[in-house]
Amino acid sequence: SQQGEEDPQALSIQEGENATMNCSYKTSINNLQWYRQNSGRGLVHLILIRSNEREKHSGRLRVTLDTSKKSSSLLITASRAADTASYFCATDAGSGNTGKLIFGQGTTLQVKP
Amino acid sequence: GAVVSQHPSRVICKSGTSVKIECRSLDFQATTMFWYRQFPKQSLMLMATSNEGSKATYEQGVEKDKFLINHASLTLSTLTVTSAHPEDSSFYICSARFLQDKNTEAFFGQGTRLTVV
Repeated sequence: SQQGEEDPQALSIQEGENATMNCSYKTSINNLQWYRQNSGRGLVHLILIRSNEREKHSGRLRVTLDTSKKSSSLLITASRAADTASYFCATDAGSGNTGKLIFGQGTTLQVKP
Repeated sequence: GAVVSQHPSRVICKSGTSVKIECRSLDFQATTMFWYRQFPKQSLMLMATSNEGSKATYEQGVEKDKFLINHASLTLSTLTVTSAHPEDSSFYICSARFLQDKNTEAFFGQGTRLTVV
């Protein structure tokens, strides 16, 4: 089952520009995580934000979380061609400690050199 | 970070045969692993939670007799697609998490591209 929506579904920008992706979810969460996937590969963890946090930074990444709106955003600043990939948010809905992560639809980012 | 190794990366099989996919945690003991399925240009759909030493927990709509999961050791979970058909062709990905702390990341295998002909 899908937890929610991500938008945009696809994003194409020039190198150096910022990229913003949004994620909405439906249930209460322990945390929300962002992952990156290069075509045909596994997923790589980017950043985790806990339900009691509102903003988090990691290098060129900035993640916000609004639990009242059940939404999160991922900002990639000063994008590079190597940032071209699909980006997914995932929520740990966490009733019990099943550890399940439910993924959003994903945003495909293309960064043009 | 921890390493999860998935094998094979690609497999082509004939319709009606079975295919086994292995997922190994190389440097930690994974009591719980997760299997996902991903169609082209789509998101990951959770298929099941693999529990070491006990039965897997399947998500709604996933046929447990079709997708057999075995988690016989703390470092290995296997997914067997039985009597495969072309509609089973997909990208299958496993993951593992430390569940002692709820705020932990998941580590993913490289994925297996299954093509049933």
